[in-house]
Amino acid sequence: GQNIDQPTEMTATEGAIVQINCTYQTSGFNGLFWYQQHAGEAPTFLSYNVLDGLEEKGRFSSFLSRSKGYSYLLLKELQMKDSASYLCAAVDSNYQLIWGAGTKLIIKP
Amino acid sequence: ETGVTQTPRHLVMGMTNKKSLKCEQHLGHNAMYWYKQSAKKPLELMFVYSLEERVENNSVPSRFSPECPNSSHLFLHLHTLQPEDSALYLCASSQDTRGVEVTGELFFGEGSRLTVL
Repeated sequence: GQNIDQPTEMTATEGAIVQINCTYQTSGFNGLFWYQQHAGEAPTFLSYNVLDGLEEKGRFSSFLSRSKGYSYLLLKELQMKDSASYLCAAVDSNYQLIWGAGTKLIIKP
Repeated sequence: ETGVTQTPRHLVMGMTNKKSLKCEQHLGHNAMYWYKQSAKKPLELMFVYSLEERVENNSVPSRFSPECPNSSHLFLHLHTLQPEDSALYLCASSQDTRGVEVTGELFFGEGSRLTVL
């Protein structure tokens, strides 16, 4: 079956760096998305990776290893507003999105 | 107007009621989606519409009935729901159903929080 694994919850300190991991098992692979969802709000797009490597976008970076079925989202210089859930979703061979259950990130002062 | 708007934001209904959720997108997209989001579970795709035609129905119970009168509007009609249907219902849109383009992301509404008593 198809599956996405990511930690349920993580805690980090304001100003620090945190890495949220995501492993996937899908029938075929056509890329991986990361979304951010603040409590009570809409999920919003953060990144899309289809090639191996690291893509940086400001304080946020996303990494993909297709051979390992692995991705991570790296958040630097954490701010209180980064407290949110982070959703990982892989695209399978039928261009269906396979979602993880999300990682709730708690930022402490 | 924000990209994707959902109403109502909160809904409480009894098991015998009939209600509807509404979604409107102002992005000129061709595809619209209904997702169910339950606590600590992955998003569950319910329905997909492309150019107002339903292209996917993931074995959703018939007590959920979608309607897409045009490419900007999507409804989810609810009747005789069960308590386990309580969840956040998210509407989303994308340029097309494949969605895997250079950006290819989904644009979500803020959701309708449904409680079934």
